[in-house]
Amino acid sequence: DSGVTQTPKHLITATGQRVTLRCSPRSGDLSVYWYQQSLDQGLQFLIQYYNGEERAKGNILERFSAQQFPDLHSELNLSSLELGDSALYFCASSAWDRMYQETQYFGPGTRLLVL
Amino acid sequence: GENVEQHPSTLSVQEGDSAVIKCTYSDSASNYFPWYKQELGKGPQLIIDIRSNVGEKKDQRIAVTLNKTAKHFSLHITETQPEDSAVYFCAGRGGGSQGNLIFGKGTKLSVKP
Repeated sequence: DSGVTQTPKHLITATGQRVTLRCSPRSGDLSVYWYQQSLDQGLQFLIQYYNGEERAKGNILERFSAQQFPDLHSELNLSSLELGDSALYFCASSAWDRMYQETQYFGPGTRLLVL
Repeated sequence: GENVEQHPSTLSVQEGDSAVIKCTYSDSASNYFPWYKQELGKGPQLIIDIRSNVGEKKDQRIAVTLNKTAKHFSLHITETQPEDSAVYFCAGRGGGSQGNLIFGKGTKLSVKP
């Protein structure tokens, strides 16, 4: 158990709908990353937040957005869903060691199925 | 940007044998290379990582080697056990001490009892 929690575990919805995925980082971790895992694209970075602020963006569609709240949990919002958005969505939180090197720990993921 | 290639895509070994998975990266500024194990229905679990200031790191049956000149790094699992069966991902991160990871496509390892 990495200490990162994600809800829900599974989500089934229809095209055109909007969903919200939730992530709670490990205690004390300020940074949250979102990744998408699909069969054809593998694990792809979407977006990173650090202490409530957006830090970096990857291959995130305009239909997707995220935020990190004062309690450090994060939400990934997916709207106007398409069949191709079906995938596993992971969040990872990160910790720094004494040398200020970062390590990422992944949550169990949310499996999204768009019908 | 960084590109990480991973080989092989599938690997089958007998219990007790060794398994080796290789990755190459493109960005010479990359300095951090973690390996994750993903079991069915679970999230990636960090099993070992190496930073560019060392050439090898070992943790019990698992070792990782890094060749910065050739820009490749490898995962070595010795005395494989059935519970080592999973998908293994290598990753790289560009210059700097933090930032998103770029993952290889994964290797499905099957250990036959």
